[in-house]
Amino acid sequence: AQKITQTQPGMFVQEKEAVTLDCTYDTSDQSYGLFWYKQPSSGEMIFLIYQGSYDEQNATEGRYSLNFQKARKSANLVISASQLGDSAMYFCAMNFGNEKLTFGTGTRLTIIP
Amino acid sequence: NAGVMQNPRHLVRRRGQEARLRCSPMKGHSHVYWYRQLPEEGLKFMVYLQKENIIDESGMPKERFSAEFPKEGPSILRIQQVVRGDSAAYFCASSGQVLNTEAFFGQGTRLTVV
Repeated sequence: AQKITQTQPGMFVQEKEAVTLDCTYDTSDQSYGLFWYKQPSSGEMIFLIYQGSYDEQNATEGRYSLNFQKARKSANLVISASQLGDSAMYFCAMNFGNEKLTFGTGTRLTIIP
Repeated sequence: NAGVMQNPRHLVRRRGQEARLRCSPMKGHSHVYWYRQLPEEGLKFMVYLQKENIIDESGMPKERFSAEFPKEGPSILRIQQVVRGDSAAYFCASSGQVLNTEAFFGQGTRLTVV
């Protein structure tokens, strides 16, 4: 069974600093996908970034990058040059093929001006 | 280029009433997933449907909950005889035929049972 662990319930980061949100996963499968979502206080789920288990390079999308360490089963999200608008809940998730996503419990990120 | 559309955004029901939540997937998507988010928790999978078929309902409560995705029209999540514990945000996501590398969610329906 898949399991996603986010060990940081909350984080406070100074504006303009980089921040790393931790995510580890547990699976015996070789083929899977890893996702990060942002949920602001307004409640919607915003897709940020995707990493396939066979992708050799770390995924990047603008200020977001995914630090994928397959042997360690970790998929940390790195946000560079944080902004006040980055304050939100962040969820890590994984799936196999076209199947359901399994989510972690989330990290509440607060950017301090 | 409309995304995943859910309605209503907010729904208030009295205990014992029925709640019907609708989800229109992104254009060209034929796979729909429903998730529930209780306050201060992550999303939990409920059901996965393709057109006219339920593929995986392992996360659905055994009673009072049902889902459909007809050939025409949106996917419907139906909760009969709602109770206070059903109060949550219900999210729908859709994906296309190929490997699901971009699972996009609707804005969610916030159900409040009073």
